[in-house]
Amino acid sequence: GAVVSQHPSRVICKSGTSVKIECRSLDFQATTMFWYRQFPKQSLMLMATSNEGSKATYEQGVEKDKFLINHASLTLSTLTVTSAHPEDSSFYICSARWGNTIYFGEGSWLTVV
Amino acid sequence: AQTVTQSQPEMSVQEAETVTLSCTYDTSESDYYLFWYKQPPSRQMILVIRQEAYKQQNATENRFSVNFQKAAKSFSLKISDSQLGDAAMYFCAYSINAGGTSYGKLTFGQGTILTVHP
Repeated sequence: GAVVSQHPSRVICKSGTSVKIECRSLDFQATTMFWYRQFPKQSLMLMATSNEGSKATYEQGVEKDKFLINHASLTLSTLTVTSAHPEDSSFYICSARWGNTIYFGEGSWLTVV
Repeated sequence: AQTVTQSQPEMSVQEAETVTLSCTYDTSESDYYLFWYKQPPSRQMILVIRQEAYKQQNATENRFSVNFQKAAKSFSLKISDSQLGDAAMYFCAYSINAGGTSYGKLTFGQGTILTVHP
């Protein structure tokens, strides 16, 4: 079964609204999680590093106010896309590290209409 | 900053044949990990193989092996006895091994779409 779970797997939202994507580590505690974005037929781009109990570290060019990341517990990180626009439509995927192993979630498709 | 380059956007291979996917990277670090990930149409990221930079021996996992040339900063993936199920997008990735929170922060190459012909 999945060690890292993402929810929802697919979401459609209206332009201007906010949408939250959850990333959960099911069998271990993850002090650090990572969020990536992937456009069709392109590579994964790291958006931010989510740190439990502290602020996320965003990569250059990623809008902090648009992509809110909260790591409130050792098993849950959330990515909230605020005031979503069609250009935010993409595949978002998280990962978590446990020891030397990196586990990926199943990913979440976001479509903004 | 670290960079990972995959110069082959697409590759094809006949079933049962061997194919090699190329990857080069750039880093000033000496302790790091390199990965090959497979991403099928489901978009699930599947670890194919992992190489620790300080290990000179090339990693192997069944039909998958790598040719790790640290001085040349090259990390190619060889798939032997290709199977139809190997068809997917393959990503080369890099992570520093700083022992802290940086490990697991992956830099990906552009990806190579592998087609397997029956």
